[in-house]
Amino acid sequence: EIVLTQSPGTLSLSPGERATLSCRASQSVSSSYLAWYQQKPGQAPRLLIYGASSRATGIPDRFSGSGSGTDFTLTISRLEPEDFAVYYCQQYGSSPQDTFGQGTKLEIK
Amino acid sequence: EVQLVQSGAEVKKPGESLKISCKGSGYSFTSYWIGWVRQMPGKGLEWMGIIYPGDSDTRYSPSFQGQVTISADKSISTAYLQWSSLKASDTAMYYCARRATVTNPYDYWGQGTLVTVSS
Repeated sequence: EIVLTQSPGTLSLSPGERATLSCRASQSVSSSYLAWYQQKPGQAPRLLIYGASSRATGIPDRFSGSGSGTDFTLTISRLEPEDFAVYYCQQYGSSPQDTFGQGTKLEIK
Repeated sequence: EVQLVQSGAEVKKPGESLKISCKGSGYSFTSYWIGWVRQMPGKGLEWMGIIYPGDSDTRYSPSFQGQVTISADKSISTAYLQWSSLKASDTAMYYCARRATVTNPYDYWGQGTLVTVSS
């Protein structure tokens, strides 16, 4: 099983600042099958990034993903008030099971 | 419009059985996988398993194998997650989500079903 470790656990920033979230895998993620999701309180997760760096439909271009192998990053270039949420990475190429990271909470400073 | 609509919240006692549902619409239900994800109170996302309604190919996380059963009825575009004997530790929000292939992410999610197990 591939274990994903996200850091930091909590990130405190102000609107307009840049956010950098990390996701590290215990072994190489096949073909960059790495996704990022955003979850707000009381809502289901929403797909942001797939294939490590491709934005999902309707996702603003302030969100970007990068990385390969075992190290991946989600960057939010200029934080908007609606971006404060919990972010999860997920690897989905290791059949038969997916795994999620434990999440990073992005909170307003 | 693609939608996954889940059944409503449940309150059960330990030892009881339960089956929750996830109805897909707005797309070809038999051409996409449906996965189930658990979120315990205040915790992260845990992948439970997945089913392909087209041929009922089902795969489970080792953590959930034998603890739950995933099924689907393609005639009514509905996937299910069931327990034969609930425990208090099954208290959680359960989400269904669809994906095109096992090497695609989950692009649409249901609204979640809250299951509370308490004596």
